[in-house]
Amino acid sequence: DGGITQSPKYLFRKEGQNVTLSCEQNLNHDAMYWYRQDPGQGLRLIYYSQIVNDFQKGDIAEGYSVSREKKESFPLTVTSAQKNPTAFYLCAGSQGRELFFGEGSRLTVL
Amino acid sequence: AQSVTQLGSHVSVSEGALVLLRCNYSSSVPPYLFWYVQYPNQGLQLLLKYTSAATLVKGINGFEAEFKKSETSFHLTKPSAHMSDAAEYFCAVSGPLGNEKLTFGTGTRLTIIP
Repeated sequence: DGGITQSPKYLFRKEGQNVTLSCEQNLNHDAMYWYRQDPGQGLRLIYYSQIVNDFQKGDIAEGYSVSREKKESFPLTVTSAQKNPTAFYLCAGSQGRELFFGEGSRLTVL
Repeated sequence: AQSVTQLGSHVSVSEGALVLLRCNYSSSVPPYLFWYVQYPNQGLQLLLKYTSAATLVKGINGFEAEFKKSETSFHLTKPSAHMSDAAEYFCAVSGPLGNEKLTFGTGTRLTIIP
């Protein structure tokens, strides 16, 4: 099936550890995005990439890093510098303006 | 820059009653507007989108929205609520250029009362 696949769905991390969230797509989308969702705050853009080997910071990039080595893949690393990493993370792809979302990854820091 | 404001973080309606979720936008250029729905622990799914072709937009699951430039609004409605409509709904806006990012509202959680 075509779509955006995120893994893992649930992830637990100890403070001070980096963690990488996977996002893969087989929709041939040029652009990919990472959003963070917290209750009552909607979706906030972390990073986005419009082409392979290029990406831009979104509104809340501090403490996060990404790579875009392949069109199909856009992993997000939550580093130990992110002060409040517990959240629901959503990856999306787009061709034009319409976003197609994955199922999300819920990260909990213990 | 574009932005959207969703009035009411929580809305409750009885099953069979009208659903009205409010969204107002701010944009210095003609906007493109979207409504997305999110079920618990899932990603977002597009309900409908306004791209200037028609002011009344019909979407999936019986939802529709009307673009009113004079009121800078894009409210989401459904004539008769169903239990399966319980979810969180997000309004989003982008500008007219093809590579512009979407900006989301803070969401409205819809509860359906049996």
